[in-house]
Amino acid sequence: EVQLVESGGDLVQPGGSLRLSCAASGITFSSSGMNWVRQAPGQGLEWVSFISASGRTIYNADSVKGRFTISRDNAKKSLYLQMDSLRVEDTAVYYCARQGENNFDYWGQGTLVTVSS
Amino acid sequence: DIQMTQSPSSLSASVGDRVTITCRASQSISSYLNWYQQKPGKAPNLLIYAASSLQSGVPSRFSGTGSGTDFTLTISSLQPEDFATYYCQQSYSSAPITFGQGTRLEIK
Repeated sequence: EVQLVESGGDLVQPGGSLRLSCAASGITFSSSGMNWVRQAPGQGLEWVSFISASGRTIYNADSVKGRFTISRDNAKKSLYLQMDSLRVEDTAVYYCARQGENNFDYWGQGTLVTVSS
Repeated sequence: DIQMTQSPSSLSASVGDRVTITCRASQSISSYLNWYQQKPGKAPNLLIYAASSLQSGVPSRFSGTGSGTDFTLTISSLQPEDFATYYCQQSYSSAPITFGQGTRLEIK
C-alpha cells in the first residue's frame, strides 16, 4: 500500500520559517519525481514545487520562488519543503504528491500551515 | 502560463443523472490533461489521465474526452459517493503545472 505522510505544519508568524516533511512508503521513492501542492482554505489547488527523482531538476511556482526550497533524501524516502519568509497568503493545506506519468498519482493527506500574527 | 478554465463552477444534480464538466486550456495542450476528484477534508484522487484513460480502480461510469484546448469529464450515472469537487490539470508545461478552479458537484 502506498503511503505519503506529511508532517511539520504549524502556526507561524509572518516572516517566519517552517520545514515540511513527507515520508513515503510502498513506492520506489528513489525513482519517483515528487511535488508539493497547496490548497488555501476554501480555495482550489495550486502546484508549488517539483523535484526530480535524482534531485537534479527542480521547478518552483513564481509565488514561492526565492522563499521555498524543495529537497529530498532518497535514503530516508523523504521529501522536504523549507519555507522561509512566510506570508499570510501561504496559509494552506500542503500536500505531497508523487509524479506519475504526466499526472499526480498518489497524494498524502496534507498538513496545515497557518501564517498569522 | 497555461490557464485552465472549468465550467460550470458548481452544479446540482440527482442520483442517476448524467453529468458533464468541461475544461478549456488557454493554448493547445494535446492530451496532457488530467481529472481529479476531491471530497471535503480529503486529498485529491486521480480519476482520468491523458484526457481519456481511466486510472486503476476508478469506476467505469467516469470518462474523459478531448484534445487540444477543450476537454470534458462525464459521469454517466451519478452515485451518492460522486458528490465532490472536480479539478482538471494540465501537464503539458513542466512548470508551472496548473489546475482549473474546480467544479463543485452538489446533490439536488
